[in-house]
Order: sequence, then structure tokens, then C-alpha cells
Amino acid sequence: DVKVTQSSRYLVKRTGEKVFLECVQDMDHENMFWYRQDPGLGLRLIYFSYDVKMKEKGDIPEGYSVSREKKERFSLILESASTNQTSMYLCASTQGGRNTEAFFGQGTRLTVV
Amino acid sequence: KNQVEQSPQSLIILEGKNCTLQCNYTVSPFSNLRWYKQDTGRGPVSLTIMTFSENTKSNGRYTATLDADTKQSSLHITASQLSDSASYICVVSPMTSGGYNKLIFGAGTRLAVHP
Repeated sequence: DVKVTQSSRYLVKRTGEKVFLECVQDMDHENMFWYRQDPGLGLRLIYFSYDVKMKEKGDIPEGYSVSREKKERFSLILESASTNQTSMYLCASTQGGRNTEAFFGQGTRLTVV
Repeated sequence: KNQVEQSPQSLIILEGKNCTLQCNYTVSPFSNLRWYKQDTGRGPVSLTIMTFSENTKSNGRYTATLDADTKQSSLHITASQLSDSASYICVVSPMTSGGYNKLIFGAGTRLAVHP
């Protein structure tokens, strides 16, 4: 059974804290993605990575950075958390190619107070 | 304007009834169109993937159709069950030069199935 695992289901952090969200996939996928999901909006791409140590900005990268030191792990970093980063964060992975399946983690509900 | 629009925003049906969810998109050209099911507080799970040349794809009680001429897709759920209560998300992947899957998400239709 394929698996994308996010390190936390729920997180509460204070404004200004540095926050790490971790994602691990066990399918040897090349591509990994971080999205955020807010009510009434579709998932929006923050960053993606198509190879180890490679990263590309998505549609809303401001306030975020990422790290991919190993193929199976993709981390999202909030350098200084703000209340407008309160959201559901979803990690996904896919094999290379256009029509391949995308597998999602269970999501991390982050609240910044 | 969103490139992927879904309707209705929410829907309530009785258990055992059928329903159809709509997706209109402006993404062109596109590589594939996907439907996902997302339970509350969970990540999306794939139901179907259709390439631009396919018209229909089924997965159990879920049947997706695609009309590339009118840029419309629908997801039909037959004999609904309480476990079908979830958000259903339409996702279009544009044709790009890269080898990765860029995905454009609709906002979803929230379906509630009542006993």
C-alpha cells in the first residue's frame, strides 16, 4: 500500500516561530509537492521538487521555503509563522510523467496564534 | 477567475439516490482531468484520471465523463451511501513541457448523504 506520511496531523504555533512540516513517501517517487488548502479555495501549490536538492516555486511561495535532502523526504519551512499561514497543508508525490497518479498525505492542520 | 470551476458548491441527497457533480474548466491544452474524493480532515484520494482523448472512466459507483469540446466534466455517483459524504475535487493538468504533473484544483463540491 502506497504511503505519503506527514509528521503531524495538528500543530499550534505562535507568531514568529520557525515551523517545520515534514513529509515522507515510500514509493520512490521523483516529484514531491506542498499545497495549502483554505475554505472556498482549491489547493494552491507552494513549492515542488522534481529531484533531490532541486526545488521550484509554486503559485504562493512567499513566506515559505523547502528542503529536499533525500528522495523520500520533503520539508516545508515557515521561517517566521504568521496568522495568515493558518491553514491545512497537504503534501503529495508523483512518479515522473504527465498522467501518473498523485498521492496525498493526510494533511497537517496548522494554527498560528 | 478560477481555471477550474465546480458546481454546485454543496449538495445534500438521501441515501440510495444518484447525483451528478459538474466541473467546467478553461485550461487548454490539457493533459488529463482527475476527480478526487476528500473526507473531512484528510488528504484527497484519487477516483479517476482521464486523458484528453477519453470520454468516460468508471470506478465502482463513480463514473466520470469528459467533453473536451465544451470543456466540461461530470462525476456521477450511483446509489449513494453515507460514506460518500465528502468533498469532490476536479483537477486539471495542463499540457506542459516539463515531465511533472502541474495540477490546477477546483474548490470542490461538498456532498452530504443523509439517511
